[in-house]
Amino acid sequence: KQEVTQIPAALSVPEGENLVLNCSFTDSAIYNLQWFRQDPGKGLTSLLLIQSSQREQTSGRLNASLDKSSGRSTLYIAASQPGDSATYLCAVPRKAGGTSYGKLTFGQGTILTVHP
Amino acid sequence: DTGVSQNPRHKITKRGQNVTFRCDPISEHNRLYWYRQTLGQGPEFLTYFQNEAQLEKSRLLSDRFSAERPKGSFSTLEIQRTEQGDSAMYLCASSWAENQPQHFGDGTRLSIL
Repeated sequence: KQEVTQIPAALSVPEGENLVLNCSFTDSAIYNLQWFRQDPGKGLTSLLLIQSSQREQTSGRLNASLDKSSGRSTLYIAASQPGDSATYLCAVPRKAGGTSYGKLTFGQGTILTVHP
Repeated sequence: DTGVSQNPRHKITKRGQNVTFRCDPISEHNRLYWYRQTLGQGPEFLTYFQNEAQLEKSRLLSDRFSAERPKGSFSTLEIQRTEQGDSAMYLCASSWAENQPQHFGDGTRLSIL
């Protein structure tokens, strides 16, 4: 059974700092990993998806890396801003009997607070 | 691309009542997923549709829950005889392929009195 863990559970940083969020998964037989952002009371916004053949994906100030063999992914946020404050979730597709259909297993998230 | 739309945004009901939620996926997406999220947790998978076919249901989905996707367009999730433990955010997502990003709606928050 796939398990996804995110560390730290919460992070508070001053504006302008670079930061790293961590995600680990127990079953390395994944074909992609997706990072999401969730604002309070809202749904999830897709940030980045890394295919298993890729090692990195970048979007603006965000950079996500994937190391399948060690079961880890990191989300790097450069020059953090108060508007980056949200919960960040990573998720991997779950396989059962060789069939996945893309259903996702999520970590519990990292709550990020960026203070001015 | 108008995004995934969910209605209602909030639902408050008494224990024992039936509720129904609606999800309108992104129009070209043939894959639709329902998830449930409780406070402080990541979403948990409930069920999956490819076009109109419901291909998988989680064990979380008791026989009080039923989902449909007629004609492979919008989907509904119905909960019968609601219980306190059903209080959660119900999220819908869609994608156009298994290895492509899932796009989520803003969810329906269900509160059971």
